[in-house]
Amino acid sequence: EIVMTQSPATLSVSPGERATLSCRASQSVSSNLAWYQQKPGQAPRLLISGASTRATGIPARFSGSGSGTEFTLTISSLQSEDFAIYYCQQYNNGYTFGQGTKLEIK
Amino acid sequence: EVQLLESGGGLKKPGGSLRLSCAVSAFTFTNYAMNWVRQAPGKGLEWVSTINNGGGSTYYADSVKGRFTISRDNSKNTLYLEMNSLRAEDTAVYFCAKDRGYGVGVFDIWGQGTMVTVSS
Repeated sequence: EIVMTQSPATLSVSPGERATLSCRASQSVSSNLAWYQQKPGQAPRLLISGASTRATGIPARFSGSGSGTEFTLTISSLQSEDFAIYYCQQYNNGYTFGQGTKLEIK
Repeated sequence: EVQLLESGGGLKKPGGSLRLSCAVSAFTFTNYAMNWVRQAPGKGLEWVSTINNGGGSTYYADSVKGRFTISRDNSKNTLYLEMNSLRAEDTAVYFCAKDRGYGVGVFDIWGQGTMVTVSS
């Protein structure tokens, strides 16, 4: 099983600043990597697939990069609605999620 | 608007059974693989099971293999998860999630989830 490891577990950032979230795979997943956002009491929402392609309706301040085993989700200028938990997920070989990064207001 | 609506959750004793349903609307159900993903209280997401668009191929996480059965009724636009031999560690919110395609593995639409509690 491919293990996905996200860091940091919690990230404190001020509104308007940039946030950088990391995701590492235990073996190469090529570009078969998705990012999801989940707010309390809500279902996850797809943000990015193919490591860097934004889903429909996702603002341009969200960007993804990386391939192989190292991936990054960047939120360029944090809005209040962006504070949430973010999960990466590989779909190269089965499906596994990272443990999540909680993005909180500093 | 594309919608997925789960139902069937509840409280069950260890060893019991439960069937979850996920009714979908506003998309061509037969064109897409479907999935169940769960989230234990305060924990992260765990993929549970996938069924292809025709229903002939199914896949399971090791943690549920042999106990859970995924199925679909394309005439009713409904996805199911039959859960047997329930354990305390099956306690979670269960989400159904639409695949982007025939089994791409990108979950582009999610339901709101149904809570399953396994406790004596």
